[in-house]
Amino acid sequence: GIQVEQSPPDLILQEGANSTLRCNFSDSVNNLQWFHQNPWGQLINLFYIPSGTKQNGRLSATTVATERYSLLYISSSQTTDSGVYFCAVTGANSKLTFGKGITLSVRP
Amino acid sequence: NAGVTQTPKFQVLKTGQSMTLQCAQDMNHEYMSWYRQDPGMGLRLIHYSVGAGITDQGEVPNGYNVSRSTTEDFPLRLLSAAPSQTSVYFCASSYTHNKKYGYTFGSGTRLTVV
Repeated sequence: GIQVEQSPPDLILQEGANSTLRCNFSDSVNNLQWFHQNPWGQLINLFYIPSGTKQNGRLSATTVATERYSLLYISSSQTTDSGVYFCAVTGANSKLTFGKGITLSVRP
Repeated sequence: NAGVTQTPKFQVLKTGQSMTLQCAQDMNHEYMSWYRQDPGMGLRLIHYSVGAGITDQGEVPNGYNVSRSTTEDFPLRLLSAAPSQTSVYFCASSYTHNKKYGYTFGSGTRLTVV
């Protein structure tokens, strides 16, 4: 199956800083999503982005499908951005495969 | 529009007990799936279904059964609970042929087996 690797595994930021989270995948994908898991355990869909670039407020994401990676950008980070960020992809079999996540801590 | 609803939110079982985790969606999604989340492991696929009457195994299916008698419901059954099944369980759904909106997840069930 498709392998999904996320980096870095942990990230500590001071409030107001910018960051880039990376997701590499091992094969062609039909679907790529970024999720934020908040401290209460809820999985929040941030972006559905199998290719191209999208922006939503302080967050943006870019997927370069031909090079098999995606980037999630967080600008002017806030303490509420803390949590775990997951990248998940779907190949031809429709199974959604997750990376192990990036734990982000934003300090005031 | 409730999205994906999971019940219960919390459950404690004794080893050997059985139970069913419920999952229901009201978006007419063909595809439904169950994941478990363990520390440091991300989310791993247990079972999935591409439509009513069709189910298949994911990455970690042992100890779990599923059925899909309707489009809306996809229950997960633990026949004889073991401490290794202590985890947080998530149900997800999506359209199979139109992936524009991706997957929607329920709020999770935290299961402890003692």
